[in-house]
Amino acid sequence: GAVVSQHPSWVICKSGTSVKIECRSLDFQATTMFWYRQFPKQSLMLMATSNEGSKATYEQGVEKDKFLINHASLTLSTLTVTSAHPEDSSFYICSASTIYSGLGTETQYFGPGTRLLVL
Amino acid sequence: AQTVTQSQPEMSVQEAETVTLSCTYDTSESDYYLFWYKQPPSRQMILVIRQEAYKQQNATENRFSVNFQKAAKSFSLKISDSQLGDAAMYFCAYRFDYKLSFGAGTTVTVRA
Repeated sequence: GAVVSQHPSWVICKSGTSVKIECRSLDFQATTMFWYRQFPKQSLMLMATSNEGSKATYEQGVEKDKFLINHASLTLSTLTVTSAHPEDSSFYICSASTIYSGLGTETQYFGPGTRLLVL
Repeated sequence: AQTVTQSQPEMSVQEAETVTLSCTYDTSESDYYLFWYKQPPSRQMILVIRQEAYKQQNATENRFSVNFQKAAKSFSLKISDSQLGDAAMYFCAYRFDYKLSFGAGTTVTVRA
């Protein structure tokens, strides 16, 4: 149990275009989803937290107009990188937690990540 | 802000031997959770073990165990009988108020 998927796993786009990344909880209802960014050989940096049906809460220094997050249902959150530039190239990871089931609300379950390369 | 420190960027262990990864954290809270996550080359984050701060007993999951010293704010991970599949980057994480703060990570190499 507690499987989280991400799509796409790999995306290349041109500078100035927008890219959408989907994060889905496959076998549980994710009441909270998180988006992280990770550079090679570095740690995960939390970008934002979203609860189903409400606006995302962004961490300090994260541009909310550039990184649009939507959490429309208990199984889906999306991250849209708007007007992407080469410096947005990174590995983006989502995670999910839930207040339901016996998984434990304290644990985050991670998706496999999405590699974004902006040319 | 809570900080998590992993002072060992890299560790190497012989197959079947034991390796211990260190982690310290800074907090003024008394109730929180601590985690170790593993990130293999696939970059999928995998939960290894978790510890509730109010529990005195150290958590154990098969070959993985922790040494949780609350007063010292220390949370080390011991990997026993190391296997080639244990090779990965290991992150220590502190959870308070639903957010996770991660350490810088320790890369574990397993020698055959």
